[in-house]
Formats: sequence, C-alpha cells, structure tokens
Amino acid sequence: QKEVEQDPGPLSVPEGAIVSLNCTYSNSAFQYFMWYRQYSRKGPELLMYTYSSGNKEDGRFTAQVDKSSKYISLFIRDSQPSDSATYLCAMSAWQAGTALIFGKGTTLSVSS
Amino acid sequence: DTGVSQDPRHKITKRGQNVTFRCDPISEHNRLYWYRQTLGQGPEFLTYFQNEAQLEKSRLLSDRFSAERPKGSFSTLEIQRTEQGDSAMYLCASSPGRAGTDTQYFGPGTRLTVL
Repeated sequence: QKEVEQDPGPLSVPEGAIVSLNCTYSNSAFQYFMWYRQYSRKGPELLMYTYSSGNKEDGRFTAQVDKSSKYISLFIRDSQPSDSATYLCAMSAWQAGTALIFGKGTTLSVSS
Repeated sequence: DTGVSQDPRHKITKRGQNVTFRCDPISEHNRLYWYRQTLGQGPEFLTYFQNEAQLEKSRLLSDRFSAERPKGSFSTLEIQRTEQGDSAMYLCASSPGRAGTDTQYFGPGTRLTVL
C-alpha cells in the first residue's frame, strides 16, 4: 500500500459544477497537507496549505483534513475551464526541511 | 520574487551520456529540493539542501546521480551514464526555511528524454 492514495481519474465536469478531489493516507505522522495544481508539462503550483485537521477556504477552493479518517479533500466551487489540470495532494510529517509525499494526481477536465 | 527557474527546459540525450541540470531558487530561500516525476505519477523526492549542505538523499538517488549547491544559491543535478529509465521530469523546489509556514515552490521542471 502506498503512503498516499489518490484516484487518478480522469474526472470530467461541466462548467459551474462543484468538484470534489480526495486523497487517503496511511502514515499517522503526517500533519501538513497541501494541494498543488499542475498544468500539462508545467511545474506544480501551490493552491492550498493546511496544518492538522480542519477546513481552510480561499476563494473558490476549500481544503478539508480529517486526520481521524486519514482523509483529505479539495473542493472547487463554480468550476471553470481554466481549472482543467492535474491536482496533486502532498503531505509531510514535519513543517520544513522534509520531503513531500505526493499522490499520483487527479486529472480534471471542465467543459464549457 | 521571480520564481524558481530551471535550465534547460528540455534535454534529449543518448543512453550512456552524462547530463547536468541547473536550478535557481527563489531569492533568499535557504532550502532547495529536487524531485523526479514520471508520466502519470506524482513527484518523488530525490534530495534536499539547507544552504550548501546536502541533508537528505532518497534511495532513488543512485550512485549515478549527484547534486551540489556550492554557494548555497543555485544547484546542479548531474546524471552520469544515463539510462532509459532516467527519462522523466526533474523538478526543483525551494522554500524560505523560516518558522511557520515553510511551503515548497516548484520550478517549471527539466524534461529529460534518454534515447
């Protein structure tokens, strides 16, 4: 079992839909959780950063962490065609100076 | 901040050749990381520097791989005697190294193709 599991999709939704992306993990030491967006042939771009459990909202994006279930989610409201990309979850046990453990990424396509 | 930059963006080489990639982190970022990403996978950690000191290396970093950050600024990643299995996107990231949120910011990557 990999440390971080993420359904690769692809996920296709119409413009305006609410998108839910998820990851599960096995290492209970993980405390720092991130979501990155990666466009084709580009480097990952940080979207959200969350420490421990709880919710964090930034514009159309909401990140949720449930440490008891070892489950994290990213919600995208009012999805746009420009949101079409691969979304990578990443996590680490320590705050800094440590490797991020990534999921495989979920490919999202938003059609207009 | 001008962002993390990487050079070259693309590299095609023949098996057995040596290649070297360069990464310039965000100015004043103390920490620098190298990752490798293959098609359909998330990035996998290779190595990490705190200033000029290489503090952690993954088991993925075989003896053919070497990384340096000689003056604590830019870094190079060299692959000797390349193999077809080395074909991947090589990503560099940097982080400020300060207390509190110390998130990693990625560069555009160098795509390596070994023929």
